[in-house]
Amino acid sequence: EPEVTQTPSHQVTQMGQEVILRCVPISNHLYFYWYRQILGQKVEFLVSFYNNEISEKSEIFDDQFSVERPDGSNFTLKIRSTKLEDSAMYFCASSVPPGGSVTDTQYFGPGTRLTVL
Amino acid sequence: GDSVTQMEGPVTLSEEAFLTINCTYTATGYPSLFWYVQYPGEGLQLLLKATKADDKGSNKGFEATYRKETTSFHLEKGSVQVSDSAVYFCALKAEKLVFGKGTKLTVNP
Repeated sequence: EPEVTQTPSHQVTQMGQEVILRCVPISNHLYFYWYRQILGQKVEFLVSFYNNEISEKSEIFDDQFSVERPDGSNFTLKIRSTKLEDSAMYFCASSVPPGGSVTDTQYFGPGTRLTVL
Repeated sequence: GDSVTQMEGPVTLSEEAFLTINCTYTATGYPSLFWYVQYPGEGLQLLLKATKADDKGSNKGFEATYRKETTSFHLEKGSVQVSDSAVYFCALKAEKLVFGKGTKLTVNP
């Protein structure tokens, strides 16, 4: 069964450093997403991406964040200058195969745990 | 805006006990409703979903019915197992996916 994959599983970085979190969505899906979950808190939407551009973003997704689909398979989240409060689990998700709709189920990857020291 | 409220945890049960985790929602329009599960050390997995009123989602012995009149989507299982220990998230999707805070379930042998 196709699945969303994410690398690395755990990333440790120093405050102020740039990090890139990588995701490989399900191959025929058209919508891609990033979410984060700060330890012990709810899962929060960050951004959605369709047709090579951001379709929606939350107030959390400020200028420090960017997303990119550099090739036909990867979907990345970049944090330019990490802060302590960026420490969280980051989940990638994808949805909507061709012919589907935006209400289709989102499938999540296993997450990348980001620790900012 | 859209929101999901689910019962505060943690919930601790003995094996074979009956489980209910309450979930209510606020949304404009007619969202799809989901339960996701997060096992220890793993990511979010879709457990079940319902896309319209009175639909019942079911999977692995879990069930939830989309109740428009009470804006609820309570998760139930008749007999829990130790392997069901996880965090359960109720979610809705209208324009975007909105999660509840999660309910941690621990099942003891």
